[in-house]
Amino acid sequence: DAGVTQSPTHLIKTRGQQVTLRCSPKSGHDTVSWYQQALGQGPQFIFQYYEEEERQRGNFPDRFSGHQFPNYSSELNVNALLLGDSALYLCASSLERSNQPQHFGDGTRLSIL
Amino acid sequence: EDKVVQSPLSLVVHEGDTVTLNCSYEVTNFRSLLWYKQEKKAPTFLFMLTSSGIEKKSGRLSSILDKKELSSILNITATQTGDSAIYLCAVVKAGGTSYGKLTFGQGTILTVHP
Repeated sequence: DAGVTQSPTHLIKTRGQQVTLRCSPKSGHDTVSWYQQALGQGPQFIFQYYEEEERQRGNFPDRFSGHQFPNYSSELNVNALLLGDSALYLCASSLERSNQPQHFGDGTRLSIL
Repeated sequence: EDKVVQSPLSLVVHEGDTVTLNCSYEVTNFRSLLWYKQEKKAPTFLFMLTSSGIEKKSGRLSSILDKKELSSILNITATQTGDSAIYLCAVVKAGGTSYGKLTFGQGTILTVHP
């Protein structure tokens, strides 16, 4: 039973560049949420996708955007990278209308130079 | 604004000690509180507490939800070095989607020395 998988594991970018992170949900899950975890902090909710639409959004600027594909996988895009975007980006999946908690992937460590 | 606060922020103990981690929350329309353990990467689920399930136990770990005090505790007895991790508390609000946005606290870093 494949869990949540994220790619790449690590990424180094420079200020102003853009980045795309990818997530495949746990088998059987249809909802994907993205979180940003800065060093020493708890994860912060970015947004959630269900049925290929953004359903909820946290307090993040429009530079952060996403997409969900028909196979439920998802991408997180960040434009015009800032030093403050350096963080661990976590993807979590769940099944809509279930009573089960979200399952997390190992994350992508993004470093901005 | 929804708020989740954990204490202490860090804790150092020796193997065999018992620890209690605290989580308090201020959210409108509370639905559930979750505890996760984060070792190096992915947070792994420990417990979910709701109005219908305010106490959970699994081996040496247990958790209680106090809806009156808007708080929860996570207890770990007979700690082992493998318990060293960041313990995260998160709340989910009622209404809208099922298990949508998780609002996390800043975490408690637990270090267990041999």
